[in-house]
Amino acid sequence: GAVVSQHPSWVICKSGTSVKIECRSLDFQATTMFWYRQFPKQSLMLMATSNEGSKATYEQGVEKDKFLINHASLTLSTLTVTSAHPEDSSFYICSALNEQFFGPGTRLTVL
Amino acid sequence: KQEVTQIPAALSVPEGENLVLNCSFTDSAIYNLQWFRQDPGKGLTSLLLIQSSQREQTSGRLNASLDKSSGRSTLYIAASQPGDSATYLCAVRTNAGKSTFGDGTTLTVKP
Repeated sequence: GAVVSQHPSWVICKSGTSVKIECRSLDFQATTMFWYRQFPKQSLMLMATSNEGSKATYEQGVEKDKFLINHASLTLSTLTVTSAHPEDSSFYICSALNEQFFGPGTRLTVL
Repeated sequence: KQEVTQIPAALSVPEGENLVLNCSFTDSAIYNLQWFRQDPGKGLTSLLLIQSSQREQTSGRLNASLDKSSGRSTLYIAASQPGDSATYLCAVRTNAGKSTFGDGTTLTVKP
C-alpha cells in the first residue's frame, strides 16, 4: 500500500532556531499534501495544503511566514518552522493521496 | 463551519466485549467520513472510509456506519482485544476538500 514517511521523527531545538520537517510519498506521486498540527490530548488541526509547483494554501490563523511550505517535487513537501518558540512544540503530521495516508508524525520540542 | 464531536472521550472495556464509538457532525454536506486509529505518539492509520453515498463499510472486526441526514457515524468493534487499545479519530471531509477531525475516543481494552 501507499506509504508516507516523515523526517525527522522527533527534534529538540532551542528557541529562535528554524526546523525543517520533510514529508515524502514513497511509492506514489502526490501533487497535494496536507500538514496538520496536534497539541497534546487534542485532535489534528489542518494547517495548510501543500501544492506541487505552486504556493501552499494556509488555513485561517496559520502564519504563512512562520510556517514555510515548499512542495518542489511530486514526492516531497517540506514544512519549515521559522524562529521556533516553545508554543510551537507540537506533533506535526502530513498526509497525501486525498488524506487517506498519513505520515508517522514529527514531534517538535522547542526549549 | 463543520464541527465534529466524538463520544465518549474515553472508554474502558474488558477483553471480548463488543463496543460502539460515536461521531457526530454539524454539516451534512460531506464528501466522505473516515475513521482512524492513533497509537500514543504515533501517526494515524486509516481504518475505514465511507463515501457520502455509502451507508457502511466493514473491515474484519470493524464496521462503520454513516447517516448523513442525522449527522452521525458509528464505529463498531466486535470482540475487542487488548491490541485495539488506542485513540480512535473520526474525520469528516467536506465537498470543499477540507477535513475536520473530532477530538477522539481513547479506548482501553483490559485483558
